[in-house]
Amino acid sequence: KAGVTQTPRYLIKTRGQQVTLSCSPISGHRSVSWYQQTPGQGLQFLFEYFSETQRNKGNFPGRFSGRQFSNSRSEMNVSTLELGDSALYLCASSLGAQETQYFGPGTRLLVL
Amino acid sequence: AQRVTQPEKLLSVFKGAPVELKCNYSYSGSPELFWYVQYSRQRLQLLLRHISRESIKGFTADLNKGETSFHLKKPFAQEEDSAMYYCALSGRAGANNLFFGTGTRLTVIP
Repeated sequence: KAGVTQTPRYLIKTRGQQVTLSCSPISGHRSVSWYQQTPGQGLQFLFEYFSETQRNKGNFPGRFSGRQFSNSRSEMNVSTLELGDSALYLCASSLGAQETQYFGPGTRLLVL
Repeated sequence: AQRVTQPEKLLSVFKGAPVELKCNYSYSGSPELFWYVQYSRQRLQLLLRHISRESIKGFTADLNKGETSFHLKKPFAQEEDSAMYYCALSGRAGANNLFFGTGTRLTVIP
């Protein structure tokens, strides 16, 4: 079956703008988690959605938000972009809690 | 607070030699531990998790609660094992948030 897909794969924005990233989970998976990967901080958990509800949240400012639709597709939004938001954003889907997470290829965001 | 430490950023071994990638964790409860691997130009994927007690691609990892460690081992390294390895912890029951270590890049020298 098809893996996790993320769009777009690459994005360039300028400071102050906002951005929306999309994640389509594996068919049948209801949990979608988002992670930020940077050279300095490594992989950090952003939030998790399950059945359209945010179930867990990491330690990120309110500028980072997300949502999940009834078909389990998820979007994350970053408002008022800062240079430090430049990163690879990964999403992962799973059947449920503490099940194996399957990662997408990521969206690479560059903020200028 | 939870923390995962991978002390080695880079590790090189010769083909056929044993390999051990170290992982130590800090967590007050009973964590679930994972090893993820990322091969060149591929996405991050699960290698193994401690509750399954499986051996994947010849790799094993034992959870040592006394030493709070979850080291990854393989008796004979292969060139195709060259990759980035991440140790991760999932703490709270019912949670899907993974805390990752900073990763170890393993290079197997032919």
